[in-house]
Amino acid sequence: GEDVEQSLFLSVREGDSSVINCTYTDSSSTYLYWYKQEPGAGLQLLTYIFSNMDMKQDQRLTVLLNKKDKHLSLRIADTQTGDSAIYFCVKGSGNTGKLIFGQGTTLQVKP
Amino acid sequence: EAGVVQSPRYKIIEKKQPVAFWCNPISGHNTLYWYRQNLGQGPELLIRYENEEAVDDSQLPKDRFSAERLKGVDSTLKIQPAELGDSAVYLCASSPGTVDIQYFGAGTRLSVL
Repeated sequence: GEDVEQSLFLSVREGDSSVINCTYTDSSSTYLYWYKQEPGAGLQLLTYIFSNMDMKQDQRLTVLLNKKDKHLSLRIADTQTGDSAIYFCVKGSGNTGKLIFGQGTTLQVKP
Repeated sequence: EAGVVQSPRYKIIEKKQPVAFWCNPISGHNTLYWYRQNLGQGPELLIRYENEEAVDDSQLPKDRFSAERLKGVDSTLKIQPAELGDSAVYLCASSPGTVDIQYFGAGTRLSVL
């Protein structure tokens, strides 16, 4: 079946860069997404990348996609305490609209 | 523009009681989704609507869960009777079409005692 895996926890110092990694099975997806979830809040779309792209940059966020290794990463430059949250790697499943979520990576930013 | 609105935000019930969650999607969004998020996990799809039609309900436990989307706008998800294992956050999302970006509501946190 389809699966998305990501590390569960990452701790960085304020001002450093954060890199959250994700691997997935099955390549039949059009989009790959990163969603952010703050405590007690819903899911906020951070960014997404088409499956035919290798990289996308959006202000402090850089997404890298390695289709051969089925690996997706999210880099947050100049990480701030407000970036502390759970980050979900999400794969769009073909043309059904179904989203497959990873378990989420908790990012802790220390002052 | 208003986002996806869900109510209530929190619900505490005793097992075997019924419970209902309500979702108002973003205006103009034809596709509506209900997800369940267990503690420490990512959300999992329960049901997807295209307008009024439930086009994917394969993950919905139909013995106790039901959903409806009257007039293709608002939707209600019901559990009857609730079990202890139903404690989770129930998230609603909407998108303009099937393969478009999904926008999520804040969710309803259900605690079954």
